[in-house]
Amino acid sequence: DQQVKQNSPSLSVQEGRISILNCDYTNSMFDYFLWYKKYPAEGPTFLISISSIKDKNEDGRFTVFLNKSAKHLSLHIVPSQPGDSAVYFCAASAMSGGSYIPTFGRGTSLIVHP
Amino acid sequence: NAGVMQNPRHLVRRRGQEARLRCSPMKGHSHVYWYRQLPEEGLKFMVYLQKENIIDESGMPKERFSAEFPKEGPSILRIQQVVRGDSAAYFCASSPPTSLPKETQYFGPGTRLLVL
Repeated sequence: DQQVKQNSPSLSVQEGRISILNCDYTNSMFDYFLWYKKYPAEGPTFLISISSIKDKNEDGRFTVFLNKSAKHLSLHIVPSQPGDSAVYFCAASAMSGGSYIPTFGRGTSLIVHP
Repeated sequence: NAGVMQNPRHLVRRRGQEARLRCSPMKGHSHVYWYRQLPEEGLKFMVYLQKENIIDESGMPKERFSAEFPKEGPSILRIQQVVRGDSAAYFCASSPPTSLPKETQYFGPGTRLLVL
């Protein structure tokens, strides 16, 4: 049973436009959410995070929105650049046994066309 | 400051052999996590270790898999008697010792295991 779902396996966007990547979760105990970016043959790199006490966090071109009532978060990239083409993983975590271990979604492959 | 190192980057084993995957955390990091990514899947947590201690192994298969993080040297993920279903990318991540539980994890480049 997937607790973190990224229902769009891929997304194609024109350079300069907005990319919106979506993520849904089922576990109401999750209180910290992260986005990771992954290039082929590399490990994931941390992009941006948000705590459940907030509904928005912004870092440059990247903004994460959290809707707790809908158990939904999204990552907005504006403007999109070809270098943003990668797989984006949504992750959610909650305290369990004294540690925070993120649960990852399956990822969304973003392609930004020049 | 070197990032998380994993070796080998690619490993080919025949069924029944043993696979040893190594992870050297970032300098100053003493928390290590192992994840597995099967084809078309997300990263699945396997085990969380601190120096000489396994903190959380709830994601580890009960048989054939083991992990250690000795006082000296890298963390080792060991898979005995590998089967084709073990073919996956195995990622290691590390985080600092004084981190809050929500501290960002830094990932290595992964080891791609192929079982023939």
